[in-house]
Amino acid sequence: GAGVSQSPSNKVTEKGKDVELRCDPISGHTALYWYRQSLGQGLEFLIYFQGNSAPDKSGLPSDRFSAERTGGSVSTLTIQRTQQEDSAVYLCASLAGFSYNEQFFGPGTRLTVL
Amino acid sequence: KQEVTQIPAALSVPEGENLVLNCSFTDSAIYNLQWFRQDPGKGLTSLLLIQSSQREQTSGRLNASLDKSSGRSTLYIAASQPGDSATYLCAVRSSGGSNYKLTFGKGTLLTVNP
Repeated sequence: GAGVSQSPSNKVTEKGKDVELRCDPISGHTALYWYRQSLGQGLEFLIYFQGNSAPDKSGLPSDRFSAERTGGSVSTLTIQRTQQEDSAVYLCASLAGFSYNEQFFGPGTRLTVL
Repeated sequence: KQEVTQIPAALSVPEGENLVLNCSFTDSAIYNLQWFRQDPGKGLTSLLLIQSSQREQTSGRLNASLDKSSGRSTLYIAASQPGDSATYLCAVRSSGGSNYKLTFGKGTLLTVNP
């Protein structure tokens, strides 16, 4: 596709439910990031995938959060047993490679946990 | 740990005015600095990327400067228009250990009044 896409654009869920957020990076981009943007806060790094290397999961806030990237392309961020503090916009970005180039961001998924 | 600060947090100007947004970062060991625009409910759009070896970048009415040694960057917007109203985010890619991450400021909310 022409850009990074994310789905769903909005997700409302009840506390305790599991949710899956999807990211389709730009074709051919080997690096993929997930960030979280909470109300009034800056963007917070969550996880980074680069090619076939082990992902950097150091930004995941708890073990309820996990992510995978299948076939080096599509990525899914899963949040188990959602809590109200998980409410935020989750943004995905991709990068052409380990270079000094710019990151391209998707439109984000707005998650609301009731 | 890299920290990015943006001043002011919010700015309201009349149409046609030239304006400057400020970004400062604590660790001068960076690969690049990127300015983004974020419209309400949308993802991030990259405006300008300045490599660590560069002093400035220009795109249309936008000019971004970088003073790496002092840990500062400015985004200059000439002849502002109501369509420029958005949140402007500054992000730094450090050259330290986790050099693939971006560290974001909290943004400046710009309102250009017709």
